Amino acid sequence: DTAVSQTPKYLVTQMGNDKSIKCEQNLGHDTMYWYKQDSKKFLKIMFSYNNKELIINETVPNRFSPKSPDKAHLNLHINSLELGDSAVYFCASSQTGNSEAFFGQGTRLTVV
Amino acid sequence: SQQGEEDPQALSIQEGENATMNCSYKTSINNLQWYRQNSGRGLVHLILIRSNEREKHSGRLRVTLDTSKKSSSLLITASRAADTASYFCAVGGGGADGLTFGKGTHLIIQP
Repeated sequence: DTAVSQTPKYLVTQMGNDKSIKCEQNLGHDTMYWYKQDSKKFLKIMFSYNNKELIINETVPNRFSPKSPDKAHLNLHINSLELGDSAVYFCASSQTGNSEAFFGQGTRLTVV
Repeated sequence: SQQGEEDPQALSIQEGENATMNCSYKTSINNLQWYRQNSGRGLVHLILIRSNEREKHSGRLRVTLDTSKKSSSLLITASRAADTASYFCAVGGGGADGLTFGKGTHLIIQP
């Protein structure tokens, strides 16, 4: 069983479109995250979410929004996609904010 | 920023040699973690060292932590071709806001 799974693996879309990436974890973790990895492999946290609070990295544009229908899912919605949004997006989960994080395989988003 | 910074950015060694990567960070931490990322894959947790620990071992991995210098090192002994990957350090500050990652060291093991 895959611990953290995200779909799709690849996403190619045009500028201006709205898209979503789904993430599910079956580890029973309380906290889930979205990270963005740019072309230089730099990983930046975008959101941290548990059932109590959402922590947003202040540098993330408000076109990005996380949606959590339940504790096991944290989806990422992106509105009005821009060329600069092209990157690999990783979902992750952990039991607490400081413990070992488990990552999904990533979604390579290409905006054309 | 608590961001970890790895050094070197890239490292190429022969199979069987030891590989050492360093990480520096800026503020107080709860723990420091090392992750591996194979090309086109997600990150895999390798080892976690708490702020009150100085050294930790896991198989061929040895991690040290010097909180006075705000630095850590990852040593991979007897390297194998399969160790070729990018290695990241990450620091957790104690809150719910997750880990802050460094820019990574790209390790290449030459057969």
